[in-house]
Amino acid sequence: DAGVTQTPRHEVAEKGQTIILKCEPVSGHNDLFWYRQTKIQGLELLSYFRSKSLMEDGGAFKDRFKAEMLNSSFSTLKIQPTEPKDSAVYLCASSLGANTGQLYFGEGSKLTVL
Amino acid sequence: QQQVRQSPQSLTVWEGETAILNCSYENSAFDYFPWYQQFPGEGPALLISILSVSDKKEDGRFTIFFNKREKKLSLHIADSQPGDSATYFCAASTGSFNKLTFGAGTRLAVCP
Repeated sequence: DAGVTQTPRHEVAEKGQTIILKCEPVSGHNDLFWYRQTKIQGLELLSYFRSKSLMEDGGAFKDRFKAEMLNSSFSTLKIQPTEPKDSAVYLCASSLGANTGQLYFGEGSKLTVL
Repeated sequence: QQQVRQSPQSLTVWEGETAILNCSYENSAFDYFPWYQQFPGEGPALLISILSVSDKKEDGRFTIFFNKREKKLSLHIADSQPGDSATYFCAASTGSFNKLTFGAGTRLAVCP
């Protein structure tokens, strides 16, 4: 079974650029999450979709971060414009839904903003 | 505002010892508490979880102890092995078990 696939694994951007990160969830999963991971804050929720509908668009991240789910098997996270403080690992996770309580994470996309 | 706090930030134990990782939370409505394990270069993976109606959950060498009154829980890893070296995240949710709030993690190193 294919797990959660994230691309690219690594991205280097100049300040002010637009970057798009991609995620393919586990086939058949209804819930999709985007998290940002840093050493200091740990995992912070950016967006949460259920059956392609946006359930949560995380507060402090709204202005420059936009997640979309174009179909049930593909999601993107756009950061525009990027800032050095956006340097982090961005994790996508999916779940069957129905409150299973188990998220399946991808390996993450490591973003470095210069 | 950190709703889920973990301590210590990092922990080193010898092989065979019991590692104890601590977690506390603020929101008394949290009712589901999973622990995730993450190895370098990988995403976190569910290790073990507990519901707030229980005070203990065991799975092999891993045990969660839960104290609802004090809003604290801990993960005990018995007979620690070098392969247990990883970062451990405590998480919590209310209602929707899938919408998790994570702590900042504890980095565990097990020395042979």
